[in-house]
Amino acid sequence: AQSVTQLGSHVSVSEGALVLLRCNYSSSVPPYLFWYVQYPNQGLQLLLKYTTGATLVKGINGFEAEFKKSETSFHLTKPSAHMSDAAEYFCAVSRYSGGYQKVTFGTGTKLQVIP
Amino acid sequence: GAGVSQSPSNKVTEKGKDVELRCDPISGHTALYWYRQRLGQGLEFLIYFQGNSAPDKSGLPSDRFSAERTGESVSTLTIQRTQQEDSAVYLCASSLQIGTLPETQYFGPGTRLLVL
Repeated sequence: AQSVTQLGSHVSVSEGALVLLRCNYSSSVPPYLFWYVQYPNQGLQLLLKYTTGATLVKGINGFEAEFKKSETSFHLTKPSAHMSDAAEYFCAVSRYSGGYQKVTFGTGTKLQVIP
Repeated sequence: GAGVSQSPSNKVTEKGKDVELRCDPISGHTALYWYRQRLGQGLEFLIYFQGNSAPDKSGLPSDRFSAERTGESVSTLTIQRTQQEDSAVYLCASSLQIGTLPETQYFGPGTRLLVL
């Protein structure tokens, strides 16, 4: 079984401030972890993913996330928020089961960027 | 095509009517997923296709929901006798499926279904 918990359904930051979106997971096997972003009226777009290797993963648009096994976390960060970062962000965990990747998504965090 | 496309983009229907939602995946992507996204909630897995077969239908909420895929390409999700609780955005995603490492899922823009 696997699950994802995103703390905070809404997060507001000022433009230029640090963005921190929290994600904790549970998985019975080593997890594969993802962050997706959804802009208004669009589908989800992959920001970054962790499979194996380096635990600090860099993605698009200046975002990065660090896999911390001891904390079962995969928090998303960006040093300086931009207005264009306003969107909904989904954390997801994946495991290989029954011949395919089964992905479980969190409930999402809406990021508001205040000018 | 360049990406995953879905049609219609919006659908308003009356309770009790049947609806068909269409997904055109990226050419060559053997894996296809349907998800449901209710207002204010995360993505809920509905069904997975590998080629034209559906090894995992565990997410379909009731027997009113069915899906098929033909030619390892287009997929249709059918909801019979729609209910108001079916109102949601239905998202389709496709990916390659090579080995056991996770492939990126590419999402369509979704179909926004409103059942009156």
